[in-house]
Amino acid sequence: GAVVSQHPSWVICKSGTSVKIECRSLDFQATTMFWYRQFPKQSLMLMATSNEGSKATYEQGVEKDKFLINHASLTLSTLTVTSAHPEDSSFYICSARSELQAPTYEQYFGPGTRLTVT
Amino acid sequence: GENVEQHPSTLSVQEGDSAVIKCTYSDSASNYFPWYKQELGKGPQLIIDIRSNVGEKKDQRIAVTLNKTAKHFSLHITETQPEDSAVYFCAAARGSARQLTFGSGTQLTVLP
Repeated sequence: GAVVSQHPSWVICKSGTSVKIECRSLDFQATTMFWYRQFPKQSLMLMATSNEGSKATYEQGVEKDKFLINHASLTLSTLTVTSAHPEDSSFYICSARSELQAPTYEQYFGPGTRLTVT
Repeated sequence: GENVEQHPSTLSVQEGDSAVIKCTYSDSASNYFPWYKQELGKGPQLIIDIRSNVGEKKDQRIAVTLNKTAKHFSLHITETQPEDSAVYFCAAARGSARQLTFGSGTQLTVLP
């Protein structure tokens, strides 16, 4: 149980275009989803936290107009990178947490999406 | 905010030997400490976690110890196998948001 999927697994886009990444919880309802960015050989950096039906909370330094996050249902969150530039190339990872029963710390991570902007 | 430091950044051990990775955290209010294994090109996978009311937890070859006074926690892998080779991340979480702050990662290589 507790499987999180991401789509696509990798994407190449041209500079200036937008790309959408989907994160789905397959066998549980995710009340909270997190989006992380990971550069090569570096750690995971939290970009934003989204609660179902609410606006996402962005970490300091993350441009909310550039990284649009939507968490419209308990099983789907999307991250749209708008007007992508080469410096946005990274590994984007989502995670999901369900607190329908009780508060919890456990997050379940997706497999990641490799974005390359040319 | 929370700051998590992790050491060493790389660790090579012979198959069968033990591996120890250490993390320190800055926020004494942190109360959840998970460890993740990340293989190349994949997302992190939770391997073990510990809450602040427990000093040690073990799951087969993997154990985690927590010293709240010193604000550090460690991952111990015994009888290492080549498939244990991966990047390991520690993390800490606190508060109502329960967001994770990750350490910088340790590349573990188990030599056959």
